[in-house]
Amino acid sequence: DAKTTQPPSMDCAEGRAANLPCNHSTISGNEYVYWYRQIHSQGPQYIIHGLKNNETNEMASLIITEDRKSSTLILPHATLRDTAVYYCIVRVYGGYQKVTFGTGTKLQVIP
Amino acid sequence: NAGVTQTPKFQVLKTGQSMTLQCAQDMNHEYMSWYRQDPGMGLRLIHYSVGAGITDQGEVPNGYNVSRSTTEDFPLRLLSAAPSQTSVYFCASTTDRGRWSTEAFFGQGTRLTVV
Repeated sequence: DAKTTQPPSMDCAEGRAANLPCNHSTISGNEYVYWYRQIHSQGPQYIIHGLKNNETNEMASLIITEDRKSSTLILPHATLRDTAVYYCIVRVYGGYQKVTFGTGTKLQVIP
Repeated sequence: NAGVTQTPKFQVLKTGQSMTLQCAQDMNHEYMSWYRQDPGMGLRLIHYSVGAGITDQGEVPNGYNVSRSTTEDFPLRLLSAAPSQTSVYFCASTTDRGRWSTEAFFGQGTRLTVV
């Protein structure tokens, strides 16, 4: 599996866009990028995933660079409830697989 | 729709005791897994299952057993609890067998303390 690298922590002002980066320079062509978040020791929550095209849903946008070696999760208007640890995961589509999490980025949204 | 249900939410064990953490899902998911999370760390995979009767080890399987006799249930057994197993345990399930093309659903966790 491709390894991911995320900054340990970030701050964002409430109402502003939060941009969370993830490096996955060894990603393979068949590996997807997934984002999850964990709010205050609750179970992790799925946010979004993508292969090579940019993706958007009601929670966030995912921007994947053309070479796919990095990606950015964008929360367009961060609220205090978005304070959480955000995990970037790279996984192969299909087949038996282990899914591992790193240590993620602690996002603190500031009033 | 309950999703993924873990019981108990909290547990205190003495060293050497055994116990089973329960995980049940009502979404007919084939893929289920167990993670542990220690303070300041991410989630580490203990065991996973891609269907009834099929299990495999994750990153940190020692001291834990699993079985998958039904699609719905995936219990995690601590054989002889040790203080190093003090952690928060999360169970997760997802739809396609072995495929994480869709979102995974997590339970709310079991906070285990071994004294």
